[in-house]
Amino acid sequence: QKEVEQDPGPLSVPEGAIVSLNCTYSNSAFQYFMWYRQYSRKGPELLMYTYSSGNKEDGRFTAQVDKSSKYISLFIRDSQPSDSATYLCAMSVQGAQKLVFGQGTRLTINP
Amino acid sequence: ETGVTQSPTHLIKTRGQQVTLRCSSQSGHNTVSWYQQALGQGPQFIFQYYREEENGRGNFPPRFSGLQFPNYSSELNVNALELDDSALYLCASSLAGPLAHEQYFGPGTRLTVT
Repeated sequence: QKEVEQDPGPLSVPEGAIVSLNCTYSNSAFQYFMWYRQYSRKGPELLMYTYSSGNKEDGRFTAQVDKSSKYISLFIRDSQPSDSATYLCAMSVQGAQKLVFGQGTRLTINP
Repeated sequence: ETGVTQSPTHLIKTRGQQVTLRCSSQSGHNTVSWYQQALGQGPQFIFQYYREEENGRGNFPPRFSGLQFPNYSSELNVNALELDDSALYLCASSLAGPLAHEQYFGPGTRLTVT
């Protein structure tokens, strides 16, 4: 069993829709939860991160962490074609060197 | 503020050869991590360098090795290349300590082994 599971999709939605991306994990020691966006043939770009449980909002993006369920989500409101990319969740324990990534979900926003 | 840069962009090597990939960290960052991303997969942690020493290693064999220089730039060396080494190699920089999780990635080097 992988430490971090993420549905690879692909996920295709119309422009303006609310998108929900999710990851589950098995390591209860994870404390930091990151979301990265990766365009084709580019490096991952850090969108936002959350420490422990709770919500965090940044513009059209909202990250949620439910540590009791070992489940994290990223919501994208008013989705745009420019949001089309692969979204990667990543996690780490406090003070750890490595990020543990999910497989990534490939998202397409159709105009 | 200068972001993370990597060179070369693309590389084609033959099985059994050796390769060196280079990374310059974001200005102000003192820690460099390397990841391997196979097609359709998430990045996998190879190792991290801090103060010119290896500071954690993932499940990769010893033929994967690295260096960090006093200016915090880094190299990844892979010996005896295998076909399965074909991947996007990503470098990420960060600050040590409580912000270690906040890692910023470069564009990657795409390595093809034939």
